[in-house]
Amino acid sequence: AQSVTQLDSHVSVSEGTPVLLRCNYSSSYSPSLFWYVQHPNKGLQLLLKYTSAATLVKGINGFEAEFKKSETSFHLTKPSAHMSDAAEYFCVVSDQIGFGNEKLTFGTGTRLTIIP
Amino acid sequence: EPEVTQTPSHQVTQMGQEVILRCVPISNHLYFYWYRQILGQKVEFLVSFYNNEISEKSEIFDDQFSVERPDGSNFTLKIRSTKLEDSAMYFCASSGPEKKYSNQPQHFGDGTRLSIL
Repeated sequence: AQSVTQLDSHVSVSEGTPVLLRCNYSSSYSPSLFWYVQHPNKGLQLLLKYTSAATLVKGINGFEAEFKKSETSFHLTKPSAHMSDAAEYFCVVSDQIGFGNEKLTFGTGTRLTIIP
Repeated sequence: EPEVTQTPSHQVTQMGQEVILRCVPISNHLYFYWYRQILGQKVEFLVSFYNNEISEKSEIFDDQFSVERPDGSNFTLKIRSTKLEDSAMYFCASSGPEKKYSNQPQHFGDGTRLSIL
């Protein structure tokens, strides 16, 4: 079974400084990986997805992630944090059930706090 | 942008009672899912649904759980006899519209918080 490990349960950065949220995956084949964000009392919003087209993936709100097969990592970064980035971030891997049909496996989440 | 809609946002139910959680997926999507998140724990897959039948279900999805797409727009999760441990946030998701072997991201609703007393 595929899995993801989020290495930090909580990350705090100052506004305007870089953000790094770490994720390692375990997969027997080339995985499909995602980052989702959850703001308080809201649903899960897709930030970006990796599907083997390019190793550096750009997402919404200035976030990007780099797929590194040699390190089995898919870390999420942003050059400059904004107060509105404070949220819970989930690294996610998908298992293909059938054509177009997938089961998502979530990491435990990283809570990002932005210090003014 | 089209959204997945879930109702109610919060449901309080007595233990042993039946509860139905409702979802309206994005209209042209083909694949539907339920996930749950117990407070302080991971988001967990419950079930996927395609072409009016269950594609896959997790160990959590036992005989107390059922899903239905009654009218072509709604997608419901029913828990027949609720237990205290069913208290969680339940998320509906949908993906599509294409039936193809590539990754179509799942779009999530805002969730229903289920509290069992």
